Amino acid sequence: EIVLTQSPATLSLSPGERATLSCRASQSVSSYLAWYQQKPGQAPRLLIYDASNRATGIPARFSGSGSGTDFTLTISSLEPEDFAVYYCQQRKTFGQGTRLEIK
Amino acid sequence: EVQLVESGGGLVQPGGSLRLSCAASGFTFSSYWMSWVRQAPEKGLEWVANITQDGSEKYYVDSVKGRFTISRDNAKNSLYLQMNSLRAEDTAVYYCAREVGPTPEGWFDPWGQGTLVTVSS
Repeated sequence: EIVLTQSPATLSLSPGERATLSCRASQSVSSYLAWYQQKPGQAPRLLIYDASNRATGIPARFSGSGSGTDFTLTISSLEPEDFAVYYCQQRKTFGQGTRLEIK
Repeated sequence: EVQLVESGGGLVQPGGSLRLSCAASGFTFSSYWMSWVRQAPEKGLEWVANITQDGSEKYYVDSVKGRFTISRDNAKNSLYLQMNSLRAEDTAVYYCAREVGPTPEGWFDPWGQGTLVTVSS
């Protein structure tokens, strides 16, 4: 079974800064990786699928990259509403999440 | 609008049972695999179970095998999760989610708003 390891666990940044979140798979998953955003009290929302494709309605400041075992979610310039928890997912496995908090 | 709405959560004693429902709308329900995913308080996401379009195949995480049963009624655009022999560690928000993309490499979109199951005496 694949294990997904996200880093860092917590990322403290200010609005306007660039955020870089990492997800590492224990074995190659090709480009089959998705990213989700979850805000307190809300369901997860799909951001990125197949490593680099933005879901419908997702702003262009969100981008995904990577293949094989190493993947990155980048938020180019943080907006106040972007502070949340982010999860990566491959098949039925989720990473443990990265909490993006306001510095 | 594609929408999933869960119901049926609540407080149940250890060893008890509960049946969750998920009402789907805005898409051809019978064309998609469907999943249940849960989230324990202050914890991450855990996939629980999924079911094929016609209900002929069902898969479960090991921790719920033999206790939970996933099912669907395509005529009613509904997904269900029958939970028996509930344990404290089953306490979580349960989300239903549509699986999209090539099975088994797909992703979950959308998700319902979730229903809270609390197992406690």
